[in-house]
Amino acid sequence: RKEVEQDPGPFNVPEGATVAFNCTYSNSASQSFFWYRQDCRKEPKLLMSVYSSGNEDGRFTAQLNRASQYISLLIRDSKLSDSATYLCVVLRDDKIIFGKGTRLHILP
Amino acid sequence: DARVTQTPRDKVTEMGQEVTMRCQPILGHNTVFWYRQTMMQGLELLAYFRNRAPLDDSGMPKDRFSAEMPDATLATLKIQPSEPRDSAVYFCASSASGRERETQYFGPGTRLLVL
Repeated sequence: RKEVEQDPGPFNVPEGATVAFNCTYSNSASQSFFWYRQDCRKEPKLLMSVYSSGNEDGRFTAQLNRASQYISLLIRDSKLSDSATYLCVVLRDDKIIFGKGTRLHILP
Repeated sequence: DARVTQTPRDKVTEMGQEVTMRCQPILGHNTVFWYRQTMMQGLELLAYFRNRAPLDDSGMPKDRFSAEMPDATLATLKIQPSEPRDSAVYFCASSASGRERETQYFGPGTRLLVL
């Protein structure tokens, strides 16, 4: 089992809809969690950190469930510009593990 | 607008040739990462440095890959000899120490094709 797993998708979602996807991690000692966004043929960029209490940034909400060992990303009122690959990142003892990403296509 | 820069942006070479990729981290960042991304494997950490010292290079094939930081403004990743299976996009990223240390800023990548 991989240490960080994501549904590769693609998720095809109509514009304006709400979409959510999860990322599971296998090591309970994992300490920090992030969502990065990667556009086609571009570099990954930090979207948001994931805090234990959950956090929100505009239309984006990230949550952490330590008991079930997953993090989630919710996008409300999706825009065409949200089309990208979303990468989950887990830090554990200075070890950095990226998930393979979930591809999201927002349809007009 | 501070950015990580990488050169070259694209590189096509023949099997057996040496490839050197360069990265200039954001000024003041003390941690530098090298990643490789392929469709099959996704983004893999090859090595990273903190204050120019290598901290972890367990993800890097030691027989042909080497990574160095000659100074705080330059990181290099070298492949010698290159093989077709090394074809990938190689990203460099940097981060600062302290509270924001985990935020990594990626360069645009070097797209390598080994024929």
